[in-house]
Amino acid sequence: EPEVTQTPSHQVTQMGQEVILRCVPISNHLYFYWYRQILGQKVEFLVSFYNNEISEKSEIFDDQFSVERPDGSNFTLKIRSTKLEDSAMYFCASSPTSGRRDTQYFGPGTRLTVL
Amino acid sequence: GENVEQHPSTLSVQEGDSAVIKCTYSDSASNYFPWYKQELGKGPQLIIDIRSNVGEKKDQRIAVTLNKTAKHFSLHITETQPEDSAVYFCAALLGDSWGKLQFGAGTQVVVTP
Repeated sequence: EPEVTQTPSHQVTQMGQEVILRCVPISNHLYFYWYRQILGQKVEFLVSFYNNEISEKSEIFDDQFSVERPDGSNFTLKIRSTKLEDSAMYFCASSPTSGRRDTQYFGPGTRLTVL
Repeated sequence: GENVEQHPSTLSVQEGDSAVIKCTYSDSASNYFPWYKQELGKGPQLIIDIRSNVGEKKDQRIAVTLNKTAKHFSLHITETQPEDSAVYFCAALLGDSWGKLQFGAGTQVVVTP
């Protein structure tokens, strides 16, 4: 069964450094999402992406965040200058192009630790 | 915006018994309600979902009910097994949203043999 994959599984970085989290959505899915989950808190929506554009973003997704689909398979989340409070689990998700567009399939996540 | 409340936060059941998790939502425009299961070290796995034009949906031992008037929906797991032990999340999607799922806080389910 097709799955969303994410790399790396764990990323440790110093405060102020840039990080790029990578995702490979399910092939033939064209809607993509990033969520994050701070330890002990709810899963929070960050951004949705379709047709090479951001469709919707949350208040969390400020100028320090950006997303990109650099090629036909990858979907990335970049944090330009990481802060301690960016430490969280980051999940990528994708959904089909038609019919059940709202059905989101999640990847295993990347644990980001900012020191 | 949408707010999703989930109860209980933890649920301990004996193997074979039923488990029920309840969620409420605030925005009447919400029209899609998925449930996810998250095992330790893994991402949320979609287990069942329901749309606002349906009151109940069942898939083997799992069922979800939706009460649009009261704005609440529930997950029912029957004949629980140890492998059902996980954290379960409910979520709601706003009708005019581009995929912004609003999640509940999660329920830690422990099934004891």
